[in-house]
Amino acid sequence: QQQVKQSPQSLIVQKGGIPIINCAYENTAFDYFPWYQQFPGKGPALLIAIRPDVSEKKEGRFTISFNKSAKQFSLHIMDSQPGDSATYFCAASTSNFGNEKLTFGTGTRLTIIP
Amino acid sequence: DAGITQSPRYKITETGRQVTLMCHQTWSHSYMFWYRQDLGHGLRLIYYSAAADITDKGEVPDGYVVSRSKTENFPLTLESATRSQTSVYFCASSDPGGNQPQHFGDGTRLSIL
Repeated sequence: QQQVKQSPQSLIVQKGGIPIINCAYENTAFDYFPWYQQFPGKGPALLIAIRPDVSEKKEGRFTISFNKSAKQFSLHIMDSQPGDSATYFCAASTSNFGNEKLTFGTGTRLTIIP
Repeated sequence: DAGITQSPRYKITETGRQVTLMCHQTWSHSYMFWYRQDLGHGLRLIYYSAAADITDKGEVPDGYVVSRSKTENFPLTLESATRSQTSVYFCASSDPGGNQPQHFGDGTRLSIL
């Protein structure tokens, strides 16, 4: 059972555009929502994360928007660059000790065209 | 250099063979994880470990065995490899607490013929 649904599967955006990747979750116990970025031939790396007590978090050009009532969260990349081309995974977990497992979405392959 | 190292990076083997994937981390993280990455499935947890000699099943544990005799090492063994286990395998480590970042290795691409 897929507890975190991610869309779209792939996305092509012109340089400077704002790609948006969406995720939806089912488990209301989730209270930590990270995004991981993966370049070809490399392992995923933490990009940005949010807790449900805020509706938005920004780090540089990357923004997470969170809608607790809809159980949805999304990643926006401002002024996208070809170097942002990568696969992006959303994930969710509960933040308390003893629940260190992350549930990942299926990933979005993002391509930024120059 | 501190980090997490997986070996080998690439492996080709035949069905029925036993194969072990190695993972070594230098951060002294208590938690370690094994994932497989397949198109359309994202990252699926195979096994994880909270500390030396403590392991537990993830989402897709069948056909895999793990051990953790030392904090820094977490090998994954396929006892009798099957074609369905062809995948890219990632090892990760983290500190305790569900909001701690997981640090991933660069993966092992395993092909089973």
